Amino acid sequence: DQQVKQNSPSLSVQEGRISILNCDYTNSMFDYFLWYKKYPAEGPTFLISISSIKDKNEDGRFTVFLNKSAKHLSLHIVPSQPGDSAVYFCAASPGRGSSNTGKLIFGQGTTLQVKP
Amino acid sequence: ETGVTQSPTHLIKTRGQQVTLRCSSQSGHNTVSWYQQALGQGPQFIFQYYREEENGRGNFPPRFSGLQFPNYSSELNVNALELDDSALYLCASSSWDLQETQYFGPGTRLLVL
Repeated sequence: DQQVKQNSPSLSVQEGRISILNCDYTNSMFDYFLWYKKYPAEGPTFLISISSIKDKNEDGRFTVFLNKSAKHLSLHIVPSQPGDSAVYFCAASPGRGSSNTGKLIFGQGTTLQVKP
Repeated sequence: ETGVTQSPTHLIKTRGQQVTLRCSSQSGHNTVSWYQQALGQGPQFIFQYYREEENGRGNFPPRFSGLQFPNYSSELNVNALELDDSALYLCASSSWDLQETQYFGPGTRLLVL
């Protein structure tokens, strides 16, 4: 049972345009969400996170949006750069007070290609 | 600030053997989590260590075990290796107070023949 899903295995965008990566989850106990970027032969790199008390968090070119009622989050990258080409994973964690806090559940990943 | 390091980077073992993977956490972090990433999949949580004790475990059999040391470094041990254990093993560190935000090492690529 996949609790966190990234339904698009790949995405291709032109340099300078917006990249939108999507993620859906099923477990309403998830309270904290993160996005990681992964290059080949490297470990995942933390990008940005959002708590369920917010619906938006911004950090430079990266913005994460959370829609709790739809159990959906998205990562927007504006403007996209060729160096952003990587695999992007969304992850979710149950909230504080849960014995599973910090046990991240990952989606399958979306491969982003930004063309020059 | 030193990031998360893992050793070795690559390892080849045969079925039935045992393996130990090592992880040094990022400075200032006291919690270590281990994940298994199969090809084409997202990382899967194996277990987490805090104060040298296991603090939660994913859906992995007992032949996956671990240790955490007083300096917060950690080991992952896998006994009786199976072909399906071939994967990238990732270690992540965090502070207990912010354990959701985890910083990953480069991983150890294990191949079981």
